[in-house]
Amino acid sequence: GAVVSQHPSWVICKSGTSVKIECRSLDFQATTMFWYRQFPKQSLMLMATSNEGSKATYEQGVEKDKFLINHASLTLSTLTVTSAHPEDSSFYICSARRSNEKLFFGSGTQLSVL
Amino acid sequence: QKEVEQNSGPLSVPEGAIASLNCTYSDRGSQSFFWYRQYSGKSPELIMFIYSNGDKEDGRFTAQLNKASQYVSLLIRDSQPSDSATYLCAVNIGGGSEKLVFGKGTKLTVNP
Repeated sequence: GAVVSQHPSWVICKSGTSVKIECRSLDFQATTMFWYRQFPKQSLMLMATSNEGSKATYEQGVEKDKFLINHASLTLSTLTVTSAHPEDSSFYICSARRSNEKLFFGSGTQLSVL
Repeated sequence: QKEVEQNSGPLSVPEGAIASLNCTYSDRGSQSFFWYRQYSGKSPELIMFIYSNGDKEDGRFTAQLNKASQYVSLLIRDSQPSDSATYLCAVNIGGGSEKLVFGKGTKLTVNP
């Protein structure tokens, strides 16, 4: 079964609203989680690395004030897209690594901003 | 800019044939290489990973790595229609980082 749960699976919102996406590790503690974004027919692009108990590390070109990441516990990281606009419409995917095992991906969130 | 390049395809093979997917990467310091399968609208799922030069086989899948040429490939033997998906090559960037850089993926279609 799934080891990383992501919610919601899809969301439609109006331009200017904020959207929160949750990523949970189900049976392990994840000190580090990763947030990716994927536009249609494009690859996954790493947006940020979420670190439990400290500030997230953002990749170049990703606005930290627009994409707020909170990793308050060892099993939960959230990504909030603030004041979303149509160009933010994308497939957002989180991932986490269990011990020294492979990276597990959440099921993804399809965001559509009208 | 560390890059991972893949032929976007589409690659079309008949059922039962061998599908060959290729990937090159730019960072010589990369140590870990992964192949993911992604169905439309779904998250990627890991198919194979390889760390050492040479071949690694797992069932119908064989990953091949050549660090000197900065090249990694995935062979799928006895291709099935259910193998039809986009295959993403991912490479960890060097220096022991956990970060993965993904290629754009190759779309594979296996025709019955």
